[in-house]
Amino acid sequence: GNSVTQMEGPVTLSEEAFLTINCTYTATGYPSLFWYVQYPGEGLQLLLKATKADDKGSNKGFEATYRKETTSFHLEKGSVQVSDSAVYFCALTPNQAGTALIFGKGTTLSVSS
Amino acid sequence: DTAVSQTPKYLVTQMGNDKSIKCEQNLGHDTMYWYKQDSKKFLKIMFSYNNKELIINETVPNRFSPKSPDKAHLNLHINSLELGDSAVYFCASSPAAGTGGGEGYTFGSGTRLTVV
Repeated sequence: GNSVTQMEGPVTLSEEAFLTINCTYTATGYPSLFWYVQYPGEGLQLLLKATKADDKGSNKGFEATYRKETTSFHLEKGSVQVSDSAVYFCALTPNQAGTALIFGKGTTLSVSS
Repeated sequence: DTAVSQTPKYLVTQMGNDKSIKCEQNLGHDTMYWYKQDSKKFLKIMFSYNNKELIINETVPNRFSPKSPDKAHLNLHINSLELGDSAVYFCASSPAAGTGGGEGYTFGSGTRLTVV
């Protein structure tokens, strides 16, 4: 089946620290991979995406590389800010008819100044 | 202009009541979805419609009934509400079903349902 596993949180960092949130997936076929972010009290926003192996998605200083050999899509940022505090979701679409976006369980990031 | 809009944003109701949540998208997308987010933030697909046709119907109690009058609208009606239905419900849309994954989904801001 299709599934996404991401590291349990919460992750607590000081401002300007390096961030990694691990994400691995299981999928049949050739999925597209995404990171979504949910700020407190808000809906989900697409942060970045990658649609094929070795693609790197990037946005707002965050980046993730689609690694088919390790079935991973780890999220990284070199220097986090307080405003990055949110819940981060790794997700995939199997790109097959009759399927939908499948989410990991989410990782809460808290950044302090 | 809001791309995916849901109403109401908050809904507090008593057990046993029937309620509806409405969703509209102005992106011209063909496919719409309902997701449920539980208290631990886990997001699970409930339903999906492609151009008014139901294409995904996960294991959801039949008290939940989606309705899509046209491809820009997807409403969720819930009968006989139970305490366990308390959650945040998100509507989303995408350009195409299944194979439209490359574009990602656009989500509404959510409806927080509290059953007391």
